[in-house]
Amino acid sequence: GQNIDQPTEMTATEGAIVQINCTYQTSGFNGLFWYQQHAGEAPTFLSYNVLDGLEEKGRFSSFLSRSKGYSYLLLKELQMKDSASYLCAVRDRTGGYNKLIFGAGTRLAVHP
Amino acid sequence: GAGVSQSPRYKVAKRGQDVALRCDPISGHVSLFWYQQALGQGPEFLTYFQNEAQLDKSGLPSDRFFAERPEGSVSTLKIQRTQQEDSAVYLCASSLTGTDENTEAFFGQGTRLTVV
Repeated sequence: GQNIDQPTEMTATEGAIVQINCTYQTSGFNGLFWYQQHAGEAPTFLSYNVLDGLEEKGRFSSFLSRSKGYSYLLLKELQMKDSASYLCAVRDRTGGYNKLIFGAGTRLAVHP
Repeated sequence: GAGVSQSPRYKVAKRGQDVALRCDPISGHVSLFWYQQALGQGPEFLTYFQNEAQLDKSGLPSDRFFAERPEGSVSTLKIQRTQQEDSAVYLCASSLTGTDENTEAFFGQGTRLTVV
């Protein structure tokens, strides 16, 4: 089966750094995605890891360890507009096609 | 179109009513997914199409849920005899292929269904 865990809520201060962790168990792992979702809006793609290591993309970085079933999303120089839900999603290839399996999301509140 | 388009954005249905939710994927995208997102939760997979073929419907919660994509582009998710537990946001996503390693899924803004 599949299981994806991430913290329910986090708070942080504007200008600070925050790390959102995600652990997963899946049978057909084929990559890990992070999406950002503002209330009432569509999830939007942030980052993608398929190999171990760190991927950096501006203020956002994502790390993956496949042996540990672990990923994190790092947000630097936090801005108020970063207040949103952050969804960890595993791409599962069971069945011969790619399907995204989502965690419940982490609601991040950024305070002045 | 430029992105994935869903309609209606909001739907209020009386319990027992049938509803139909529409998804217009990005032109040329082979793969289309439907997800159900309850308040405060992540999206839950419902069903997957590759062109017009429904390859996976394992996430559909009951036989009241039915999805189709007859011409391999626009898709419709139909819910018969709606129940209060069907209240959720229904998200549609499309991607260029289903098997390519480097294709991401693009989401529509969703249809918020409220069953009263």
